[in-house]
Amino acid sequence: EDQVTQSPEALRLQEGESSSLNCSYTVSGLRGLFWYRQDPGKGPEFLFTLYSAGEEKEKERLKATLTKKESFLHITAPKPEDSATYLCAVQSLTTDSWGKLQFGAGTQVVVTP
Amino acid sequence: DGGITQSPKYLFRKEGQNVTLSCEQNLNHDAMYWYRQDPGQGLRLIYYSQIVNDFQKGDIAEGYSVSREKKESFPLTVTSAQKNPTAFYLCASSSQQTDRSGSPLHFGNGTRLTVT
Repeated sequence: EDQVTQSPEALRLQEGESSSLNCSYTVSGLRGLFWYRQDPGKGPEFLFTLYSAGEEKEKERLKATLTKKESFLHITAPKPEDSATYLCAVQSLTTDSWGKLQFGAGTQVVVTP
Repeated sequence: DGGITQSPKYLFRKEGQNVTLSCEQNLNHDAMYWYRQDPGQGLRLIYYSQIVNDFQKGDIAEGYSVSREKKESFPLTVTSAQKNPTAFYLCASSSQQTDRSGSPLHFGNGTRLTVT
């Protein structure tokens, strides 16, 4: 059974204080790993797709990396607008439908000025 | 702009009543999905449909029903048989195409259902 575990559950940062979020996964063949950002009361917003170990993607203050067992989302010099819940999800090679993803519970990030 | 519209944003029902959540997309996507989100848990798949007039159960289908009469629409009914219906419900769609730069799912902004 595919599983995704995110840690920590919650993270409180001072503005400018860099940190990393972890996403550990077990999947029967990884097709892709995805990071989303979710604001309260909204649907998840896509951030990154990673396909193979060693791959890295960057967007503004965010950088996602992938190994064979986990992914990290690094937040460099965060700003208050980076406050959100960050979700990790995996897509199995054996899936019968493109949108069937296994999600982690998320990491809630709060950045204070 | 193309997207997914879920309505209503908030829904309140009494226990024992069935309730239907609306989901409409204008992205011309073939596949549509319903996920449920609870505090401290990952999104869980309720039902999905890859073509009109066909749908499959996800991981937590008990107490729910769906229909897919039109490509654009995928309503979810939460029945009185669902033991813990209070949750945030997310509808999503997918083009089922290989797009190595993008997300496999496009989400709506959810419906928060409260049953008392």
